[in-house]
Amino acid sequence: DAGVIQSPRHEVTEMGQEVTLRCKPISGHDYLFWYRQTMMRGLELLIYFNNNVPIDDSGMPEDRFSAKMPNASFSTLKIQPSEPRDSAVYFCASSRLASRGTQYFGPGTRLLVL
Amino acid sequence: KNEVEQSPQNLTAQEGEFITINCSYSVGISALHWLQQHPGGGIVSLFMLSSGKKKHGRLIATINIQEKHSSLHITASHPRDSAVYICAANNNNDMRFGAGTRLTVKP
Repeated sequence: DAGVIQSPRHEVTEMGQEVTLRCKPISGHDYLFWYRQTMMRGLELLIYFNNNVPIDDSGMPEDRFSAKMPNASFSTLKIQPSEPRDSAVYFCASSRLASRGTQYFGPGTRLLVL
Repeated sequence: KNEVEQSPQNLTAQEGEFITINCSYSVGISALHWLQQHPGGGIVSLFMLSSGKKKHGRLIATINIQEKHSSLHITASHPRDSAVYICAANNNNDMRFGAGTRLTVKP
């Protein structure tokens, strides 16, 4: 398997623009997680899905952030409008058994909002 | 006080030394994860444990549920072990992360 795939790997945008990050989980994994990593706050869980359904989005910082999983092989994290403080590395991870399963991380998307 | 505390924050060792990284947590957990983040930024899951001890090659992870403490040990450390090691407390998918321990192993 190719592992968790994220795109783009790098994104530079201007404040106010819409940003869409994409993730393809490992086939057969029924849990998908979105994380954000910053120097100040470290790693934070934003939202996770089970069988394409959002289970816990309490980590989503504000209404400018939204995530969808239209099918088992694709998820998006959207920021609209983007702000400089959204600059971070965004990781997607997937697992088979959630809290009892190893999570496999994607390479991350490095986002810079100018 | 952070819910997940790691120590030390930074650690420099000579090749071959035995390494210990500690993690204390104050939340209930269903599992405790140890992650390794390479200098390039990629994250690899090393261990997930809910009791006892696990071993993988030169890496050993232990957890004491009563004391809410976990340790990651590296035997015969090597420069390629240089990375940031992150502890994460998983309470039914509510993941709380430590700030990480930056390990540098010198040849």
